[in-house]
Amino acid sequence: DGGITQSPKYLFRKEGQNVTLSCEQNLNHDAMYWYRQDPGQGLRLIYYSQIVNDFQKGDIAEGYSVSREKKESFPLTVTSAQKNPTAFYLCASSIPGISTGELFFGEGSRLTVL
Amino acid sequence: GENVEQHPSTLSVQEGDSAVIKCTYSDSASNYFPWYKQELGKGPQLIIDIRSNVGEKKDQRIAVTLNKTAKHFSLHITETQPEDSAVYFCAASYYYKLSFGAGTTVTVRA
Repeated sequence: DGGITQSPKYLFRKEGQNVTLSCEQNLNHDAMYWYRQDPGQGLRLIYYSQIVNDFQKGDIAEGYSVSREKKESFPLTVTSAQKNPTAFYLCASSIPGISTGELFFGEGSRLTVL
Repeated sequence: GENVEQHPSTLSVQEGDSAVIKCTYSDSASNYFPWYKQELGKGPQLIIDIRSNVGEKKDQRIAVTLNKTAKHFSLHITETQPEDSAVYFCAASYYYKLSFGAGTTVTVRA
């Protein structure tokens, strides 16, 4: 079955700790994305990557970091610099082209800072 | 950047009635307008999309209309069923970035 796998599904963190959320896809998509979802605010883009070894900041990149060493993987690190990290995080992938196509989302990771 | 506004934020309809969700966007260069459905605890899934060279698109009980002059687009769901209960997001994009609306929680009453 092709798809996107995010782990862990639930994560608890103490203030001051960095955490890394995993995102793996077997759809052979070049492009991958991280979104943050907060109640009443829709989905906001954190980082995106169009190709291996390249990524760009989205609208709310402060306090986050990513890497794209493999086509299949796009991990997100939530650093201690992120002021309000409690949220639902969604990873997505797509086939990049001249214009945006369908995004395929994972089932999300819910991060709670204690 | 692109700003997408979505209304209403919540919508309750009787089973069998129609539901309409409206979105406006700010960047006239946007040329792709998808709609996503998110069920509880899941990631969003694309249900229908429309590109700027098309005014209307239908897929069974759902349809989307686009007015580029007014910069607004709408989702129409006819003959609503309980499984239509979910959060719906509109989005607008130019090239690689999708900007999402805040979402509409649709509840279909039996």
